[in-house]
Amino acid sequence: EVKLQQSGDELVRPGASVKISCKASGYTFTSYSMHWVKQRPGQGLEWIGAIIPIIDTTEYNQKFKGKATLTADKSSNTANMELSRLTSEDSAVYYCASGIAALFDYWGQGVMVTVSS
Amino acid sequence: DVVLTQTPPTLSATIGQSVSISCRSSQSLLDSDGDTYLNWLLQRPGQSPQLLIYSVSNLESGVPNRFSGSGSETDFTLKISGVEAEDLGVYYCMQATHAPLTFGSGTKLEIK
Repeated sequence: EVKLQQSGDELVRPGASVKISCKASGYTFTSYSMHWVKQRPGQGLEWIGAIIPIIDTTEYNQKFKGKATLTADKSSNTANMELSRLTSEDSAVYYCASGIAALFDYWGQGVMVTVSS
Repeated sequence: DVVLTQTPPTLSATIGQSVSISCRSSQSLLDSDGDTYLNWLLQRPGQSPQLLIYSVSNLESGVPNRFSGSGSETDFTLKISGVEAEDLGVYYCMQATHAPLTFGSGTKLEIK
């Protein structure tokens, strides 16, 4: 059974960074793209970027370059996203989503990041 | 960036009613490889989105066949033939033909 288990909710100070993770199981993690999506409260979905672990290639939405850094730990089948220089605009739920048989066919449960002093 | 315009923004339906959601793209979504990367997602209240339809008309495994997708180039439609209570939520179209991937603004389906 394919599962994407994301790390817990985060409360972070403005200006700080946060790293959230997405542990994959039930499929060959390295062979498929992992995407990250942002959803602000009551709003729609925004694509942040994606990583293909087997070739360590990343692609970013220009809007999130310098904000998000995507990495993959092949030894633990875990995709990570670090968000830097956080502001209130970064308060959102962040999802990981895989593309195995089809793009975005499996999703994590989401991580709520709250930026507040 | 490709803009996906979904209509209507909200939809109210009775159980058993058939409904359609439109998704119009600012550019053709036909890729050079011959595929059209237009997917439909459903986000139920308090849940992660789930894939319903991929590549315009392919039903994701486990999704009821009352859902169907059609269209080409810039005009796409999701149809629900006989709405059920569990279908309430927000429906999104999304495209992966052009970078960056983009989503429509969503259509909220309410059950009367």
